[in-house]
Amino acid sequence: DQQVKQNSPSLSVQEGRISILNCDYTNSMFDYFLWYKKYPAEGPTFLISISSIKDKNEDGRFTVFLNKSAKHLSLHIVPSQPGDSAVYFCAASGKQGAQKLVFGQGTRLTINP
Amino acid sequence: NAGVMQNPRHLVRRRGQEARLRCSPMKGHSHVYWYRQLPEEGLKFMVYLQKENIIDESGMPKERFSAEFPKEGPSILRIQQVVRGDSAAYFCASRPSSTDTQYFGPGTRLTVL
Repeated sequence: DQQVKQNSPSLSVQEGRISILNCDYTNSMFDYFLWYKKYPAEGPTFLISISSIKDKNEDGRFTVFLNKSAKHLSLHIVPSQPGDSAVYFCAASGKQGAQKLVFGQGTRLTINP
Repeated sequence: NAGVMQNPRHLVRRRGQEARLRCSPMKGHSHVYWYRQLPEEGLKFMVYLQKENIIDESGMPKERFSAEFPKEGPSILRIQQVVRGDSAAYFCASRPSSTDTQYFGPGTRLTVL
């Protein structure tokens, strides 16, 4: 039962353009959402998060949008840079309890010069 | 402020041996999580610990796996009698009580021969 889904295994974007990564979830009890970036042989690096009481959060080049009715969130990176090439994971956690993260399968983003 | 530390970074064991993975959380973080990543998959929650207590072990296999977070020293994930299917990357994450955001270590890559 995949509660968090990233349906695009890979995405290729030209340098300077906008990268949009998508994530869908099925569990309505999720109330906190995060995006992590991961390079090979390293741990996930936290990028940005959003609480379910908001629909947008922005940090520099990164913006996360949350659509609760559609159970969908997206990460926008603009402008995209070569160093953004990595695997991006969407994760979600519930209202109470352990706050354990449920991860999507990841999307490999490649920024082309 | 050092990040989450994990050691060893790489561990090779033969079938039937024991594997011990260590995690030192970030300073001031009293919540520790362990996740496992199998090849080409997302991270899967294993266990959540606070000092001297296991809070949620719903993601741990029922046999051979155990975890602890003693009052002094690092958190330990122990795998007894390893099998080839245990080969994976094991990540530790920590967070302070004030936030739901988890910060990850670099991971331990376990290879079972």
